[in-house]
Amino acid sequence: EPEVTQTPSHQVTQMGQEVILRCVPISNHLYFYWYRQILGQKVEFLVSFYNNEISEKSEIFDDQFSVERPDGSNFTLKIRSTKLEDSAMYFCASSPAGTGGYGYTFGSGTRLTVV
Amino acid sequence: AQSVTQLDSQVPVFEEAPVELRCNYSSSVSVYLFWYVQYPNQGLQLLLKYLSGSTLVKGINGFEAEFNKSQTSFHLRKPSVHISDTAEYFCAVRPPGAAGNKLTFGGGTRVLVKP
Repeated sequence: EPEVTQTPSHQVTQMGQEVILRCVPISNHLYFYWYRQILGQKVEFLVSFYNNEISEKSEIFDDQFSVERPDGSNFTLKIRSTKLEDSAMYFCASSPAGTGGYGYTFGSGTRLTVV
Repeated sequence: AQSVTQLDSQVPVFEEAPVELRCNYSSSVSVYLFWYVQYPNQGLQLLLKYLSGSTLVKGINGFEAEFNKSQTSFHLRKPSVHISDTAEYFCAVRPPGAAGNKLTFGGGTRVLVKP
């Protein structure tokens, strides 16, 4: 069964450093997403991406965040200057084109720890 | 905008007993409804979804859910749980239409199955 692959599984970074979280969505999917889950809290939407541009973003997705699909297979989330409160599990997801009746396929997540 | 409430944050249950996880939602438009499961240290896996038609939906691993439009609920049930069902369960909604519409998650219900 096709999978969404995320790397690394765990990343520790110092406050103020830049991090890039990587995802390989399912190959025939056209919509890509990032969600995050702070420990003990809800899974929260960050951003959706379609046709090489952001289609929707949440209030959380401020100027320190950016997304990119650099080479047609990877989908990355960059956090420019990490803060302690960015510590969370970050999930990538993808879905095929269509009329929206699809549950996404999620990756297994990257646990980001900012120290 | 949509919101999802999972009324129970934790549900302890004995092996082979039934379990019901409650989910209520609020939305100004019709929505698709989903249940996801997150096993320890893993990503989110789709259990089942309701798009339209029969209000009783069957999913993987013996789970089923019933959509009740008048009560805006989508409760998840399993008649007999196994130790392996220990996980966190998330209810989620999204509007129909464009596949890129975001999922809105509830806060999750942690199920602990005891021998």
